[in-house]
Amino acid sequence: DQQVKQNSPSLSVQEGRISILNCDYTNSMFDYFLWYKKYPAEGPTFLISISSIKDKNEDGRFTVFLNKSAKHLSLHIVPSQPGDSAVYFCAASVTGANSKLTFGKGITLSVRP
Amino acid sequence: SAVISQKPSRDICQRGTSLTIQCQVDSQVTMMFWYRQQPGQSLTLIATANQGSEATYESGFVIDKFPISRPNLTFSTLTVSNMSPEDSSIYLCSVEGYTQGFGEKLFFGSGTQLSVL
Repeated sequence: DQQVKQNSPSLSVQEGRISILNCDYTNSMFDYFLWYKKYPAEGPTFLISISSIKDKNEDGRFTVFLNKSAKHLSLHIVPSQPGDSAVYFCAASVTGANSKLTFGKGITLSVRP
Repeated sequence: SAVISQKPSRDICQRGTSLTIQCQVDSQVTMMFWYRQQPGQSLTLIATANQGSEATYESGFVIDKFPISRPNLTFSTLTVSNMSPEDSSIYLCSVEGYTQGFGEKLFFGSGTQLSVL
């Protein structure tokens, strides 16, 4: 039973355009959401997170949007750069168990020069 | 942040053998976590390792199959025992570390790519 779903396995965008990566979750107990980025032969690295008390959080080119009623979040990257090409994992947790993350399967983003 | 060194980075093993993966952190941490990523699947938590006590295993993972050692606050090992091809995965060590603006978050080692023949 996949509690965090990233239904699109891959996404390709042109450099300079917006990348939108989507994520859905089923467990209503989740109240904290994270995005990790992974390059080949490296471990995942933390990118950005959002608490369920907010519906938007920004950090530079990266913005995460949370729609609690739809149990949906998305990561926007603007403008996309070739160095953003990586696998992006959506993850969720329950407050107080921030080290116990439930991950999605990941989306492979390719940014074309 | 936390710097995590994990080895080996990859290995090819025969069915029925065991492999021990090492994880070294550049600072003392209370808990260390072991994750697995099977091909095409998400990262799944195997167990949490506390120094001085037995590891806590998640549902579906048992100590006999994945024994863990935690001899001090900077080091842990995960052994994959009596391997079968289904154990072919990436195994990742992780710890909590501080991130600017976002507080404590999980940091990951570079992973061990295990292939079982």
